[in-house]
Amino acid sequence: DGGITQSPKYLFRKEGQNVTLSCEQNLNHDAMYWYRQDPGQGLRLIYYSQIVNDFQKGDIAEGYSVSREKKESFPLTVTSAQKNPTAFYLCASSTQESGNTIYFGEGSWLTVV
Amino acid sequence: SQQGEEDPQALSIQEGENATMNCSYKTSINNLQWYRQNSGRGLVHLILIRSNEREKHSGRLRVTLDTSKKSSSLLITASRAADTASYFCATGPGANSKLTFGKGITLSVRP
Repeated sequence: DGGITQSPKYLFRKEGQNVTLSCEQNLNHDAMYWYRQDPGQGLRLIYYSQIVNDFQKGDIAEGYSVSREKKESFPLTVTSAQKNPTAFYLCASSTQESGNTIYFGEGSWLTVV
Repeated sequence: SQQGEEDPQALSIQEGENATMNCSYKTSINNLQWYRQNSGRGLVHLILIRSNEREKHSGRLRVTLDTSKKSSSLLITASRAADTASYFCATGPGANSKLTFGKGITLSVRP
């Protein structure tokens, strides 16, 4: 089935550790996105990439890093510099053929312990 | 920065009733979209309305857009318990450009 796969679904991190969230899509979409969702605050854009080997900071990029070496993959690393990383992270993708419609993965829960 | 703001923040209705949710935005847009999110899941696209459209239907969903008032409404008719979810509006400047999401409306449909 075509779609966006995020892994792991649940992740626990100790303070001071970096963790990487995986996002893979087989929709052949050009653009990919990472959003963070906190209770009552909706979605905030962390990073986005419109083509391979290129990405831009979103509204809350500090403490995060990404790479886009392959069209289908857009991993997000939550670094130790991110002071409050506990949140729900959503990966998404879109293509010009879909207009401005974004397709989301099922999300990853990150908890700092 | 979040452009879309939904209203009300929470809505509780009886099964069979209609649910109306509103979204306001501040700057000009190319299109406005509504998404649905079940608890702990990803968002699912419901409907897109372009800036030159005033109304659009999809099944039990009806979306209106008033660009002069910078507002949109989502109507779900004959609601079902399965419609219980959070609903988000998102505004877009153009293809493959980032969308800006609101904080969402929590809809509860009582059986």
